[in-house]
Amino acid sequence: AQTVTQSQPEMSVQEAETVTLSCTYDTSESDYYLFWYKQPPSRQMILVIRQEAYKQQNATENRFSVNFQKAAKSFSLKISDSQLGDAAMYFCAYRRVPSGTYKYIFGTGTRLKVLA
Amino acid sequence: DVKVTQSSRYLVKRTGEKVFLECVQDMDHENMFWYRQDPGLGLRLIYFSYDVKMKEKGDIPEGYSVSREKKERFSLILESASTNQTSMYLCASSFVGRDSPRRYEQYFGPGTRLTVT
Repeated sequence: AQTVTQSQPEMSVQEAETVTLSCTYDTSESDYYLFWYKQPPSRQMILVIRQEAYKQQNATENRFSVNFQKAAKSFSLKISDSQLGDAAMYFCAYRRVPSGTYKYIFGTGTRLKVLA
Repeated sequence: DVKVTQSSRYLVKRTGEKVFLECVQDMDHENMFWYRQDPGLGLRLIYFSYDVKMKEKGDIPEGYSVSREKKERFSLILESASTNQTSMYLCASSFVGRDSPRRYEQYFGPGTRLTVT
């Protein structure tokens, strides 16, 4: 069975600094998607970034980028120039691609605090 | 923008009551999901639906049922609420179009914090 592990329950970063959130997963599949979601306090969960497993290039979205290591089954999120608005719970998620499957596997989350 | 709405942000119910949580999405997504979010446990899938009137159990379906009579609406039902169902409930939807750049991205509602006393 697939699993997603976020080993850092909580992290802190100084405003304007860079922080990396870790995520590892276990799967025997070769084709899948990985996602990072952000859940600000009392606000809606939103997608931060996505990565298709068949793509070797790491995804980037403005200040957010990932380090995707397929062989190591690692999918870390790097946040550059951290801002107060980045404070949130961050969830890593995995989804198989083959048809007939609908399930997403989520990690337990990392709470990111941004210090002014 | 995709919008997913949930009928209530906060709900307080008594043990044994029948509880309805409703979710509506406006982007014609095929797939809809109900999750339960508890501290330290992440998101756990209760049920999902891949089309109208179609549903499948997730990881923790016991004590819950669902209904999807229209594509845009997915309801979660607690047949007889219990205190261990006190939690945050999140609805999500996703598109599975093969050529879409947004394929498989989940869009979440604001959540319903349910307290059962």
